[in-house]
This record gives sequence, C-alpha cells and structure tokens, in this order.
Amino acid sequence: AQSVTQPDIHITVSEGASLELRCNYSYGATPYLFWYVQSPGQGLQLLLKYFSGDTLVQGIKGFEAEFKRSQSSFNLRKPSVHWSDAAEYFCAVASGYGQNFVFGPGTRLSVLP
Amino acid sequence: GAGVSQTPSNKVTEKGKYVELRCDPISGHTALYWYRQSLGQGPEFLIYFQGTGAADDSGLPNDRFFAVRPEGSVSTLKIQRTERGDSAVYLCASSLRGASGGANEQFFGPGTRLTVL
Repeated sequence: AQSVTQPDIHITVSEGASLELRCNYSYGATPYLFWYVQSPGQGLQLLLKYFSGDTLVQGIKGFEAEFKRSQSSFNLRKPSVHWSDAAEYFCAVASGYGQNFVFGPGTRLSVLP
Repeated sequence: GAGVSQTPSNKVTEKGKYVELRCDPISGHTALYWYRQSLGQGPEFLIYFQGTGAADDSGLPNDRFFAVRPEGSVSTLKIQRTERGDSAVYLCASSLRGASGGANEQFFGPGTRLTVL
C-alpha cells in the first residue's frame, strides 16, 4: 500500500522568500502524485500533478514540483512567496490502477510580511 | 460550471443518532470519493464509487458507515449510531476516469463539518 510523509508540520517564510515543501512517498510502482492546497474554510484545490513524462511539473499560482524517483520525493517549490500563499499544503499519491488517494498529513505555511 | 457540492455544510447531532451527508458531483464525472478529515490531519480515504457500485470501500472504519450512489450521480454517506469520534469534516470528490483507467485529478467539495455531541 502506498503512503506519504510530509516531514515539516509547519513552515514560516517571509514574503518574497523562496519556498520548498517536502513530500516523500512509498509505492512499489510509478506513482501518480499530486499537490493540493487548502485555505482556511476553503476546499482542497489542485496545484499540480505528475503522471509521467517530464519530471519537473508546473502548476498554478507559480508553483512547481520535481519528481525524483531515486529519492521517492515530490517536493513543491515556489521562487517567491506571496502573503496569499499562507495555507495548508497536502501531497497525495495514487496507484496506477486503483483509485484510492493517500494524502500526507499536510504542511502548514505561514507567511511573514 | 458547477463544482462538487455537499450538504449540509454543518451538521450537529447527538451521540447515538443517525446522519446522512449528501454529495453532488460534477456532471459527467463517473468516479466519486468520500474522505474524512480530522483537525490537523490530511484527508483519509473512506470509499470510492465507479458509477453506481462501490469499487473500494476499504476505508470505511466500521459497519456503522455506509454509502450509496444509486443512479451513478448523487451519493449519500450514512452514519448510524454516531459517536463523538466521528466528528470531522467529511469531504467528497469526483473525477473523470483517467484515459488509461488510472488515477486522475479529483475535484473536492467544500465538505460537511460533522459534530457529534
């Protein structure tokens, strides 16, 4: 069965600084990988996804993520954080044939002015 | 177009009562999922429907939980004899089936916050 870890429970960055949120997964085959963002009182919104092909994927709101098979990682990055990026971020993995998504515990991002 | 909708947005009930939570998926989405999200945690998978049938119900915690999707669109999650530990946000998501039959993007509803007193 697949699993996801997000080592950082809470990260604080200054507005304009760069950001990297870590995600490690466990799955025996090539995974389907996703990053979702959840703002307070809002539903989960997809930032980006990786199914196959180019291991660097671009998402919405200036986010990108890189799939590294050798490290079983799918870290999320943004070069310059905006105050509106403050939210909870979830990494998720799915198998190629099953439809069961497994989410990580989330990383809460705070942005200092 | 309309997204995934869930009703009610909030539900407060007493221990031992029965509750029903409703999910309206995006039109044309054949796959529908239920998740439960406790405070400070990520969504936890409960059950997945492909059409009218439950393709995977391995996440349902016990036999007090049951879900149906009789016409392949709207789904209802039913919880019998509610317990305080059932308090959580219940999320519904829908997706198109992937081109290869694999996973595809899930669109989430706003959730139903269930509080069991």
